[in-house]
Amino acid sequence: DQQVKQNSPSLSVQEGRISILNCDYTNSMFDYFLWYKKYPAEGPTFLISISSIKDKNEDGRFTVFLNKSAKHLSLHIVPSQPGDSAVYFCAASASNTGNQFYFGTGTSLTVIP
Amino acid sequence: GAGVSQSPRYKVAKRGQDVALRCDPISGHVSLFWYQQALGQGPEFLTYFQNEAQLDKSGLPSDRFFAERPEGSVSTLKIQRTQQEDSAVYLCASSENGGTYNEQFFGPGTRLTVL
Repeated sequence: DQQVKQNSPSLSVQEGRISILNCDYTNSMFDYFLWYKKYPAEGPTFLISISSIKDKNEDGRFTVFLNKSAKHLSLHIVPSQPGDSAVYFCAASASNTGNQFYFGTGTSLTVIP
Repeated sequence: GAGVSQSPRYKVAKRGQDVALRCDPISGHVSLFWYQQALGQGPEFLTYFQNEAQLDKSGLPSDRFFAERPEGSVSTLKIQRTQQEDSAVYLCASSENGGTYNEQFFGPGTRLTVL
């Protein structure tokens, strides 16, 4: 059973505009959330994280928002750049169940120049 | 510094063959993870080591899968009697210590194709 879901397999955005990638989770014990970015033939690379004690974390052009009551998080990229084109994975973990991450199925972002 | 490396990058095996996949984590990283990523899916947890101790192997899909990290650095994932459903990218990740709130650094993966 998929505990982390990314319901949009793909997203296209014009360069300079905002990209919003969404993620939903079902396990209320998750308390740490991350976004990873993946280029073809490479492993995922860490982008940004947020713990459940916060509802927002910002790093440059990237902001992650967490809505615990809705079990929803989102990644905002603004302004979007062509180099942001990649597959984005949402991941979650629970501190009381070990160190494994549960990943979503990914959203392929294309930023059109 | 060097990141996580994995070898081979690509492996083609005939059904029933045994394979061994290697992971070299970032030097000094205590924790090491193996994930399996099927086509169109996200990575799925297989197993976790803290130093040489395998603390969680709940994600290993069958007893044909075996992982070891004998000296607390390099790890090997072995798959015996490979089946077609084992075809996937196998990702290794390491993190600095065993805490939950630690970024995992991923290697490029080994793409296994079982014919």
